[in-house]
Amino acid sequence: GAVVSQHPSRVICKSGTSVKIECRSLDFQATTMFWYRQFPKQSLMLMATSNEGSKATYEQGVEKDKFLINHASLTLSTLTVTSAHPEDSSFYICSAGQGGGTEAFFGQGTRLTVV
Amino acid sequence: LAKTTQPISMDSYEGQEVNITCSHNNIATNDYITWYQQFPSQGPRFIIQGYKTKVTNEVASLFIPADRKSSTLSLPRVSLSDTAVYYCLVGALSGGYNKLIFGAGTRLAVHP
Repeated sequence: GAVVSQHPSRVICKSGTSVKIECRSLDFQATTMFWYRQFPKQSLMLMATSNEGSKATYEQGVEKDKFLINHASLTLSTLTVTSAHPEDSSFYICSAGQGGGTEAFFGQGTRLTVV
Repeated sequence: LAKTTQPISMDSYEGQEVNITCSHNNIATNDYITWYQQFPSQGPRFIIQGYKTKVTNEVASLFIPADRKSSTLSLPRVSLSDTAVYYCLVGALSGGYNKLIFGAGTRLAVHP
């Protein structure tokens, strides 16, 4: 199957700083990628849809100015958590699908801890 | 997007067959049914996908009745390593990719 890679796998940052998470489709092009957030013992919550070459579409309740998404190429989407606070600590996961297919491929996730 | 309902948790023992049923009463004509497995601190992993009847691969079987309002994931002879959360999702066949909304999932615990 296709491979989606996230970097870093875990990051610790100080409150008030910004953190960038990368999501790459390694062996296919993805015009659309999705970003999820997952708190302990909870399900994945869709945050936004990342569209190559255009603005991201955010789900209701997700602050677009806090979670900046950039999808500048067909293989890379980035999520920047700006002015991070401890409540932003979570597991962030991206996914992408191959054109013509119906399966979604997920990255390994990024554990963000804000101290 | 069709909503799904699954049991919150299930317990089993090594070597047993486990069946997890998912209800999706509002499934649309274009929707596929896909099951994912997730281990702690990892991204979800694709298990199986189907549209109707029965699908089988090397790890699981998926049974879908004619009305498609439910589906059952069958894991044969589970082992301890099958302890994970299993998600049932439905999404439109869009010729490319569709937005997936996760439900609560089923937390499967396999005991020795």
